[in-house]
Amino acid sequence: DIQMTQSPSSLSASVGDRVTITCRASQSISSYLNWYQQKPGKAPKLLIYAASSLQSGVPSRFSGSGYGTDFTLTISSLQPEDFATYYCQQSYNTPPTFGGGTKVEIK
Amino acid sequence: QVQLQESGPGLVKPSQTLSLTCAVSGGSISSGGYYWSWIRQPPGKGLEWIGYIYYSGSTYYNPSLKSRVTISVATSKNHFSLKLSSVTAADTAVYYCARTYYDSRGYYPDYWGQGTLVTVSS
Repeated sequence: DIQMTQSPSSLSASVGDRVTITCRASQSISSYLNWYQQKPGKAPKLLIYAASSLQSGVPSRFSGSGYGTDFTLTISSLQPEDFATYYCQQSYNTPPTFGGGTKVEIK
Repeated sequence: QVQLQESGPGLVKPSQTLSLTCAVSGGSISSGGYYWSWIRQPPGKGLEWIGYIYYSGSTYYNPSLKSRVTISVATSKNHFSLKLSSVTAADTAVYYCARTYYDSRGYYPDYWGQGTLVTVSS
């Protein structure tokens, strides 16, 4: 299985901050990388697919980049509704696997 | 707007079979173009993809669960189902169903159900 490692596992940030979350794959996954946001008690929500494509309806402050083994999710200006846990997921190989998550908390 | 809704028992005894159904509205499973997935999340932990099914009935199961999992589809009822046999406490989780889009750039769940907590306990 391809292991997906996210860092940091948690971070504290203030409204308006620029936030970057990293996801590293245990082998090259080309651009087969997706990002999700999950709030407590809710289902995950797709933010970014194919490493850098913004899902319809997702604010443009979210962006994704990367290729191969290293990927980033960036929130350009953190908003109150962005405090949540973020997960990456690869679909290069089966089984599809998720990262362990990054919890973004209010500083 | 596609909506998915999981249903089934919230409590299952150890060694028994967990059974859940996902009702799809706002779109037809038989129209094709999507996989229909089950994904679970143990309390306080990360996400695990259980498997998925195409409207034709072809399936993929995560090897870690393959010996215990069956996913089926009922296109006439516009729903799909999950069965997980011989459950233990480790199978306690929130179970999500999801529509999964696929193309040359990969596949990803774009619509999710709200999730249902299944507890395995005697």
